[in-house]
Amino acid sequence: DTGVSQNPRHKITKRGQNVTFRCDPISEHNRLYWYRQTLGQGPEFLTYFQNEAQLEKSRLLSDRFSAERPKGSFSTLEIQRTEQGDSAMYLCASSLERGGTQYFGPGTRLLVL
Amino acid sequence: LAKTTQPISMDSYEGQEVNITCSHNNIATNDYITWYQQFPSQGPRFIIQGYKTKVTNEVASLFIPADRKSSTLSLPRVSLSDTAVYYCLVGPNDYKLSFGAGTTVTVRA
Repeated sequence: DTGVSQNPRHKITKRGQNVTFRCDPISEHNRLYWYRQTLGQGPEFLTYFQNEAQLEKSRLLSDRFSAERPKGSFSTLEIQRTEQGDSAMYLCASSLERGGTQYFGPGTRLLVL
Repeated sequence: LAKTTQPISMDSYEGQEVNITCSHNNIATNDYITWYQQFPSQGPRFIIQGYKTKVTNEVASLFIPADRKSSTLSLPRVSLSDTAVYYCLVGPNDYKLSFGAGTTVTVRA
């Protein structure tokens, strides 16, 4: 079990550019969550999947954000037309459906210049 | 999701026991109490979870009184590497997590 992995670990982009992050969950986990964390705050929920179905999206997830999990395995989070306020750590977690402790990946730190 | 209140920060010394109390007056019947630890530039790490009474694992103990309106995370004999932010979360066992600001624990030599 290699745990949850996220790529890239760091991303620097210019305002207005699109970025995409990838999360690979623990292999047998059918739930996958995305969170965002800004400096000094706890992580905030963005969205989650059960298998390939996106079951809930936070109001934080504006229409510039889109997440997919096409085959129920890895997931991608895309941010279009990035803004400086998007600068944050983007965290992915996975769990089993029942009694599911969430295990987090190392995160992708995004800096929008 | 139930709101939690925990101290903003705590200081301790190596070898001491650290106890962090979390208040959650509005905990629901199906809510569990979960604690995570987070080091800078890393994702949160699950420490312990409980529903009632006492839970102990190799890392920590969790004490939950009968009314479940508070809980205490106990870290025995801390070391410098236990310096981190500790989050208390309350909610259903299979749902999104709601983090507060956490408690920053600083362990000094």
